Amino acid sequence: KNEVEQSPQNLTAQEGEFITINCSYSVGISALHWLQQHPGGGIVSLFMLSSGKKKHGRLIATINIQEKHSSLHITASHPRDSAVYICAVRRGATNKLIFGTGTLLAVQP
Amino acid sequence: DTAVSQTPKYLVTQMGNDKSIKCEQNLGHDTMYWYKQDSKKFLKIMFSYNNKELIINETVPNRFSPKSPDKAHLNLHINSLELGDSAVYFCASSPGESYGYTFGSGTRLTVV
Repeated sequence: KNEVEQSPQNLTAQEGEFITINCSYSVGISALHWLQQHPGGGIVSLFMLSSGKKKHGRLIATINIQEKHSSLHITASHPRDSAVYICAVRRGATNKLIFGTGTLLAVQP
Repeated sequence: DTAVSQTPKYLVTQMGNDKSIKCEQNLGHDTMYWYKQDSKKFLKIMFSYNNKELIINETVPNRFSPKSPDKAHLNLHINSLELGDSAVYFCASSPGESYGYTFGSGTRLTVV
């Protein structure tokens, strides 16, 4: 079993819908990252969290350290949000990232 | 432009060949990484360097050898390429533990 699990694996939404992607992990971490991989392949870092909640535009990321769970929310989704969203956790002082398997999001107009 | 740049973007080569992928960052970051993304889009750390020193070396075959001539460059040399080496290789950099990562655009390696 992967140390970082994401759900759902695939998600199709209609434009304007509120979207939630979940990430659970089974190891001790120093931080959690949410990444976005566009259809063209490039990877962009969205958030780094060690506690609480962060917001950037229509994106909100939360983390519950006790429950070892994080969520990425997208409000008022748009077709340009279509991408793979990847959760990754950083373990200890090595700065080593362990990745989830990604969630493929398709937002239809 | 400030960025992490990888070359080449695409690389097609025959089994048994030796090839290199170059990575350069002009962000002044201390730490650089190589990640491999397999055909199922799963990312995995390969190597990490901090200020030219190797700090992470995952269970990667010895045919893969990273080289960091200075903290702005981390190159990946692969000897005796195999079909299973076909993947997308991403370089990334970070200022340190408490910061996010900046990724290169990836190098798609195809071994035929």
